[in-house]
Amino acid sequence: GENVGLHLPTLSVQEGDNSIINCAYSNSASDYFIWYKQESGKGPQFIIDIRSNMDKRQGQRVTVLLNKTVKHLSLQIAATQPGDSAVYFCAERVGNTPLVFGKGTRLSVIA
Amino acid sequence: DGGITQSPKYLFRKEGQNVTLSCEQNLNHDAMYWYRQDPGQGLRLIYYSQIVNDFQKGDIAEGYSVSREKKESFPLTVTSAQKNPTAFYLCASSPTSDREAFFGQGTRLTVV
Repeated sequence: GENVGLHLPTLSVQEGDNSIINCAYSNSASDYFIWYKQESGKGPQFIIDIRSNMDKRQGQRVTVLLNKTVKHLSLQIAATQPGDSAVYFCAERVGNTPLVFGKGTRLSVIA
Repeated sequence: DGGITQSPKYLFRKEGQNVTLSCEQNLNHDAMYWYRQDPGQGLRLIYYSQIVNDFQKGDIAEGYSVSREKKESFPLTVTSAQKNPTAFYLCASSPTSDREAFFGQGTRLTVV
């Protein structure tokens, strides 16, 4: 089947800077996308989601952008903090089928 | 308090033995899922259930079995037929199958 993938496997960011984590998807039928944060040894934690009828959604310090033309999803984290260090996964869904996950990007915050 | 509870957190089994991983949720969610995660990898779907008494195979169902007799419970059995069972197992649930999924804290299974 079609998979969700990520452009960068690792990302190092200076504390206080903004982070941008990218994700490419190949299934044009996908209509729902989620970003998760996973800390070592723990389950993924929901960050933010977006449906395909939107191109931007904002949360607390996070913004998700969806570009359906090029099938690209990004997660922006403002003023990155040491506690943001984790692996970030994007996931996609078509209708009510289960989420399909990408391989993840590790974000390291340099103090 | 509400949430998804997986138990145990760590589990060790001898090769050839079946083992059952527990997943309970008190969120009144209809849909439940089991994913497997290997080191440095994403999550792969084992089984899912969109409603009680019904479940479907995911991408890597071979060597696993599930049941969904109660809405709040979705246990996963790792059978001796699973060739490489050592992994981190994650259970999730969602209010309905078109909504966000929330995860438990995982069970790390080691087969020796």
